[in-house]
Amino acid sequence: GEDVEQSLFLSVREGDSSVINCTYTDSSSTYLYWYKQEPGAGLQLLTYIFSNMDMKQDQRLTVLLNKKDKHLSLRIADTQTGDSAIYFCAESVRDFGNEKLTFGTGTRLTIIP
Amino acid sequence: GAGVSQSPSNKVTEKGKDVELRCDPISGHTALYWYRQSLGQGLEFLIYFQGNSAPDKSGLPSDRFSAERTGGSVSTLTIQRTQQEDSAVYLCASRLLPNSYEQYFGPGTRLTVT
Repeated sequence: GEDVEQSLFLSVREGDSSVINCTYTDSSSTYLYWYKQEPGAGLQLLTYIFSNMDMKQDQRLTVLLNKKDKHLSLRIADTQTGDSAIYFCAESVRDFGNEKLTFGTGTRLTIIP
Repeated sequence: GAGVSQSPSNKVTEKGKDVELRCDPISGHTALYWYRQSLGQGLEFLIYFQGNSAPDKSGLPSDRFSAERTGGSVSTLTIQRTQQEDSAVYLCASRLLPNSYEQYFGPGTRLTVT
């Protein structure tokens, strides 16, 4: 079965880079995603990467994918207080033609002033 | 345009009562998902509707849980004989198939069973 793991907490000083890590188990994943959840809100898609890529950059966000090790990371450059949130890694798995996401437990990012 | 909406935003119910949670997906989105987010836990997949196909119910935790999607649009998640362990935030998401990769999430319904 699918399993996606993340560390639960990360604290970073304002202005530093944040790196949130994720491991997954299903080698047939087609897409991998990072979602952000701010307090009291639903999930917002931050970025995604196709499984045949190893890096994607989008402004302050850099996604690295190591398919051999099934490891995904999200780097946020110049972390700001507005980046405080829970970050969920998710893999997209096709199961009998249906596609669904399997989410990790989420990493709560706290910014230290 | 309007996003995914869910109602109610909060629901407190007594153990043993039935509850219905509603999801209005983005108009035209053919896929609809329900997830459960328990305190300190990740998102747990519950059920998935895609067009007119039979729903994927593989994530429903017990037969007390059921969901319908009427007319390919609005969906209702029903929990019968609620238990305290059902307390969680229930999130709905919709997606425009076949080519879109993004699931758009609603704000969730916080269910508290006392």
